[in-house]
Amino acid sequence: LAKTTQPISMDSYEGQEVNITCSHNNIATNDYITWYQQFPSQGPRFIIQGYKTKVTNEVASLFIPADRKSSTLSLPRVSLSDTAVYYCLVGDMERDDKIIFGKGTRLHILP
Amino acid sequence: DSGVTQTPKHLITATGQRVTLRCSPRSGDLSVYWYQQSLDQGLQFLIQYYNGEERAKGNILERFSAQQFPDLHSELNLSSLELGDSALYFCASTRLAGGEQYFGPGTRLTVL
Repeated sequence: LAKTTQPISMDSYEGQEVNITCSHNNIATNDYITWYQQFPSQGPRFIIQGYKTKVTNEVASLFIPADRKSSTLSLPRVSLSDTAVYYCLVGDMERDDKIIFGKGTRLHILP
Repeated sequence: DSGVTQTPKHLITATGQRVTLRCSPRSGDLSVYWYQQSLDQGLQFLIQYYNGEERAKGNILERFSAQQFPDLHSELNLSSLELGDSALYFCASTRLAGGEQYFGPGTRLTVL
């Protein structure tokens, strides 16, 4: 099971790009990296998933270096509504019982 | 709307009591996960079922149990409730192994 380490909290301002880094030194060959977003009193919501290099969708980008020991979630031009907790997960696509949520990063966007 | 439903939305009970939380996964999803989230805490994985069979166990107390039925809905049973069991309980479902988890709206349990 690959353990992940994220900053506990981050602050940023509206309109800025926010990068949240996750460390996963023990990532295994079959593991994918997935990010979820959670608002208070709601269930987490999938943001993005990747295996290597760069993945981009309509809400975020995910950068994964060649050694895959870390990953960075990039949120372009954040707004107040991006204030949430962001979780980085590392799991084996073939055996989903290895996917565990940690404590996440509490992102606070300021006006 | 994730397609995952949980009932009830809120539950208030007393210490020592027993409650059952229910989860219906998205149509076609075979795997159900249960999580506990206490105030200002991260999600604690409790247990996972896949097509009726227990697949993985996390930090689930012996007072808690779960099952997944042939129609794939799942129930989480919490007994001998304590004040510390007050939390949001989420279930999530997935279609593919290791795939995106779709979370329900949660059940807020308050133990008085």
